[in-house]
Amino acid sequence: GENVEQHPSTLSVQEGDSAVIKCTYSDSASNYFPWYKQELGKRPQLIIDIRSNVGEKKDQRIAVTLNKTAKHFSLHITETQPEDSAVYFCAASKGRGNKLTFGTGTQLKVEL
Amino acid sequence: GAGVSQSPSNKVTEKGKDVELRCDPISGHTALYWYRQSLGQGLEFLIYFQGNSAPDKSGLPSDRFSAERTGGSVSTLTIQRTQQEDSAVYLCASSESNSGEKLFFGSGTQLSVL
Repeated sequence: GENVEQHPSTLSVQEGDSAVIKCTYSDSASNYFPWYKQELGKRPQLIIDIRSNVGEKKDQRIAVTLNKTAKHFSLHITETQPEDSAVYFCAASKGRGNKLTFGTGTQLKVEL
Repeated sequence: GAGVSQSPSNKVTEKGKDVELRCDPISGHTALYWYRQSLGQGLEFLIYFQGNSAPDKSGLPSDRFSAERTGGSVSTLTIQRTQQEDSAVYLCASSESNSGEKLFFGSGTQLSVL
């Protein structure tokens, strides 16, 4: 089955800097790649997703890039703010009707 | 309902007892997942239901764990003869039939085995 690896496990940045989290996947048939944010004590929530027919997607300060050949995708957060501090999970699936497999998570801390 | 509902929100039990955790997915959602999350850890996949297909039970850690989904809606996760290492937050998530992709999570059940 699908295996998703995520790095780094922890990331500390200064407020205003950029943060990048990287994931690799094993199943070349995977075509859907979402990112979830989990704030302390809260449930995970979808923040952005990308499908395999595009290489990049942006939504304000966050962006996701996908390299299908290398089978890796990344989350980019620019101009980080304290409220960006959370655990971020990447995931991959083969789309409709197929199980979503999560990475192990990245604890992001934005320091003042 | 407005979202995925889980009950109870907290459960304290004694080692060796059985527990049942309930998940009410969003109406019409055909996919339902159970995950386990220990303190400060990632999302450990337990089981996946998709429509009328046989569930993917590959994540269940032992035969003490089982889950069912009645009528394609409500799901119950049962843990028999609980152990202290079962202590964790159990999260349920569902997704709609058309995409089977975007997951909506419940707020979880915090299970503590004494």
